Amino acid sequence: GAVVSQHPSRVICKSGTSVKIECRSLDFQATTMFWYRQFPKQSLMLMATSNEGSKATYEQGVEKDKFLINHASLTLSTLTVTSAHPEDSSFYICSARTTTAANYGYTFGSGTRLTVV
Amino acid sequence: GENVEQHPSTLSVQEGDSAVIKCTYSDSASNYFPWYKQELGKGPQLIIDIRSNVGEKKDQRIAVTLNKTAKHFSLHITETQPEDSAVYFCAASIENNDMRFGAGTRLTVKP
Repeated sequence: GAVVSQHPSRVICKSGTSVKIECRSLDFQATTMFWYRQFPKQSLMLMATSNEGSKATYEQGVEKDKFLINHASLTLSTLTVTSAHPEDSSFYICSARTTTAANYGYTFGSGTRLTVV
Repeated sequence: GENVEQHPSTLSVQEGDSAVIKCTYSDSASNYFPWYKQELGKGPQLIIDIRSNVGEKKDQRIAVTLNKTAKHFSLHITETQPEDSAVYFCAASIENNDMRFGAGTRLTVKP
């Protein structure tokens, strides 16, 4: 089945530094990937849609200059949190859309717990 | 845009009992309705999904029903076990578009 690998699983960084999170589709090509943010005991909030070879589409209220998304290949999308602050601490999850001739689905990565100190 | 509401937010059942979680959606164009189980510190895992061309789907102890007219769908778990304890999310999407999630239901199965 479709597998999405997300790294790192946990990261602690200092305020003002940048952190890159990778999302890879291991056994399929993903033209579209999604990035979500999840606060404790809350639901997943879509941050942006990442399309291979083009600019990401950000949801309203998400700062595109702060959350840089790059989808340079069909198997890799990256989310870079720039100039991180403690309020950026959260659980970030990616997902990739899988498409077969019959239907489609979405596979999620295992998430990245970001702590900014 | 799509808005998904999920109830209840918490649900506690005795082992062996059934659990039902309900969701409603707003966009009548939505045609894909997955359910995810999320354990602490992990990403969501798909447990069952349904598309708008069917009204019910079952996979062992898990079933999902869909009422397109009323725009609601439900997850049914029978013979619950302690390992079913987790947070469950419903979601809705229009084919090839992004997915919107419900707020989640924290299910606790007491042994």
